[in-house]
Amino acid sequence: QKEVEQNSGPLSVPEGAIASLNCTYSDRGSQSFFWYRQYSGKSPELIMSIYSNGDKEDGRFTAQLNKASQYVSLLIRDSQPSDSATYLCAVNRPQGAQKLVFGQGTRLTINP
Amino acid sequence: ETGVTQTPRHLVMGMTNKKSLKCEQHLGHNAMYWYKQSAKKPLELMFVYSLEERVENNSVPSRFSPECPNSSHLFLHLHTLQPEDSALYLCASSQTVNQETQYFGPGTRLLVL
Repeated sequence: QKEVEQNSGPLSVPEGAIASLNCTYSDRGSQSFFWYRQYSGKSPELIMSIYSNGDKEDGRFTAQLNKASQYVSLLIRDSQPSDSATYLCAVNRPQGAQKLVFGQGTRLTINP
Repeated sequence: ETGVTQTPRHLVMGMTNKKSLKCEQHLGHNAMYWYKQSAKKPLELMFVYSLEERVENNSVPSRFSPECPNSSHLFLHLHTLQPEDSALYLCASSQTVNQETQYFGPGTRLLVL
């Protein structure tokens, strides 16, 4: 089982709709969860972090965390073509020096 | 300059060449990282440095040799690479090695012929 799993996509969403990105993780001890956005040919950019169960909203972005189900998601409301990118889920690893484990990423395309 | 910078941005090298990648962070962080990103694979952590001391080496082949002369600079020395080493090499930094929020540089796109 992969430590962090994401559907690689591509996920296509019409402009203005809600894009929903999902991530599951295997280590029940994980406490910190991050979403990075990576445009093609660019480096990952941190867009959201979440540490507690429930929802965290920042502008058009909402991160949702359910530790019991080991599930974290990212919702993008009013999707824009500029949201087209690969979204990486990262989860902290409680043990060892490698503090972050990344998923494969989900490629999102917003269609005008 | 701000954030994390990397040079060169693109590099083409033969299998017998020796080259170095450079990373510099202007954030006052104490931890620096090298990652490898290949197509359709998750980011792979290669090395972790905390206050110039290597704290993690994820079974990386010896043809990759990191160097951290101070907490702001990180190098990755490359020699006798293989074509499968072609990838995007990303440098990142964080406040401390225990601080999980990491900030990435723009990366070096490496092609080994």
